[in-house]
Order: sequence, then structure tokens, then C-alpha cells
Amino acid sequence: GQNIDQPTEMTATEGAIVQINCTYQTSGFNGLFWYQQHAGEAPTFLSYNVLDGLEEKGRFSSFLSRSKGYSYLLLKELQMKDSASYLCAVHPNAGNNRKLIWGLGTSLAVNP
Amino acid sequence: DADVTQTPRNRITKTGKRIMLECSQTKGHDRMYWYRQDPGLGLQLIYYSFDVKDINKGEISDGYSVSRQAQAKFSLSLESAIPNQTALYFCATSDSTGGDEQYFGPGTRLTVT
Repeated sequence: GQNIDQPTEMTATEGAIVQINCTYQTSGFNGLFWYQQHAGEAPTFLSYNVLDGLEEKGRFSSFLSRSKGYSYLLLKELQMKDSASYLCAVHPNAGNNRKLIWGLGTSLAVNP
Repeated sequence: DADVTQTPRNRITKTGKRIMLECSQTKGHDRMYWYRQDPGLGLQLIYYSFDVKDINKGEISDGYSVSRQAQAKFSLSLESAIPNQTALYFCATSDSTGGDEQYFGPGTRLTVT
């Protein structure tokens, strides 16, 4: 089967750094996405990794290790508005059958 | 103006009624998707379309149908609504020539009584 695992909940303090992990077991791999979703709102695209290594985009960075089936999202200088659910999603196949496999999301609470 | 719009944003309907949720996009993307989201279950794919003549079932298509009227429009119908179809529904689009990341509409909150 195909599976994505993320922690269900995390808590962090304003101004701190938090790392949200994602592990995946899929039939193939053609890219990994991170999305942010505030309660009751639509998911918004944060980052995309297809090659091993770290992608940095402002306060957010995403890392990928294909050999380990592992990714993490790093959030620096946490702000209250970062309280949200963070979804990890994988494209298991190239070509026309490019449906995403979604994790259940990690609910992050940022406390003052 | 929003790139992906959904109508209606909220809908309350009765069991057995047929309803349609509509999605429009101005992003020029070729691929469109319908998802439902239930608390604790994550995003579940209902149907997806990779171009106007292409319609595919997702994980949970039973009880739903779709129509891709144009590249920019993708509608979802519930033939005979039932209470367990109460959920938050999202439309999404992606560009096969780009990174294929998906962009979501604001969602429709559907309640079936």
C-alpha cells in the first residue's frame, strides 16, 4: 500500500524553531509537497522537493531524503499566525497518473 | 480576484436532494480536482480531470458525478444527497507543464440533514 505518516499534533513557542517530520512509503516517487491549512480554510502550497536536500523559502525550509523516504518542514521565528495544520503530500508516479497521496496533517499550535 | 472560486460557499440541503457544486478557475491550468475533507480523515480525492475530455474516479467517487464543461469549469454533483456526505469540499487546479502543485478554492461547506 501507499502511506504517509506525520505526527498528529505539535506545540511550540512564539519565536522558536519547529521541525515537522513526514515519512512515506509509496510505489514510486516523483516529488513531495508541503501545504499549510488554517482551520476552515483551503490548503495553500508551501514547498516542493523532488531532489535530495534542503529548499529554503524565507522562514520556511523543506528537506528531502529519497533513500530514507523522509522529509521535514522547518519553521523558523515562529509567529502566532503559523498555528495551522501542515500537510505532506507525495506524487508516487510520473506521467499521466499523477495523483497526490496525502498525509493526515500535523496540527501545530504556537503559544505566546 | 481569487484564481479558483467555488459556489456556493455554504449549503444546507435535505436527504435525497440533488445538488451541484461549481468550480471556476482563471489560472489557465489544465488539471482540476474535487476533494472532500472530514475531521480526522484528511483530504480524499473524489474525481479528477487532466483535460476537458478526461474524467477519472478518485478514492471515493460513489454517490458523486462530475462535469468538465470547459477548461476553466469543473462541477461536482451529488445525485441524491445523504447525511454522511456532510463535509467540506474543495476544488483544486494544477498545471501539468509546471511543477504540478495544486491550488485550492476556498471550499464549500455542505450539510445534509
